[in-house]
Amino acid sequence: EAGVAQSPRYKIIEKRQSVAFWCNPISGHATLYWYQQILGQGPKLLIQFQNNGVVDDSQLPKDRFSAERLKGVDSTLKIQPAKLEDSAVYLCASSLEGIAVPGLDTQYFGPGTRLTVL
Amino acid sequence: TQLLEQSPQFLSIQEGENLTVYCNSSSVFSSLQWYRQEPGEGPVLLVTVVTGGEVKKLKRLTFQFGDARKDSSLHITAAQTGDTGLYLCAGYNTGNQFYFGTGTSLTVIP
Repeated sequence: EAGVAQSPRYKIIEKRQSVAFWCNPISGHATLYWYQQILGQGPKLLIQFQNNGVVDDSQLPKDRFSAERLKGVDSTLKIQPAKLEDSAVYLCASSLEGIAVPGLDTQYFGPGTRLTVL
Repeated sequence: TQLLEQSPQFLSIQEGENLTVYCNSSSVFSSLQWYRQEPGEGPVLLVTVVTGGEVKKLKRLTFQFGDARKDSSLHITAAQTGDTGLYLCAGYNTGNQFYFGTGTSLTVIP
């Protein structure tokens, strides 16, 4: 079974530029998560989708970050414009049932996209 | 806001030693999960604990969920170099919001 795919793996941009990350979850997984992980810290949940609806985006900086999951499959996370403090690894994860069994479902993570903002 | 505080933040031990990692919160969690993350990869789920006071064992790893469901611990017996990594606790609070802990970076020296 193929895992969660993310691209690109690495991205370097200058501040005030825009950037987009792509995630393709495991086939059949209803729930998709985007996390931001700053070096040495635990991941912070940015947004959680159940199919193509948003379950939780309370920690998403909505003035510059946006995400969509059209057709309930793959997803794109965008930052516009980027700031220096956005330098981090952006992780995508998917799970089979998500909020149907909160805390009991297994999240499968992709390898992440390492973003450097100069 | 860090709802799940882990200690210690860094741990460096010799192969064969035992260690315990703690995950604490002032909030009640409906369940707790433990993950391990290696450099350049995403976290991988190790275990889920659901019931207060629950203890789960996976080979040399023992996981415990506090009676009040506000804390958890991970104990590793006879650490091996393959145990090196970032250990993360995570869970849903009673408001169905999901949080990861602050992380514990473990290095096992041969």
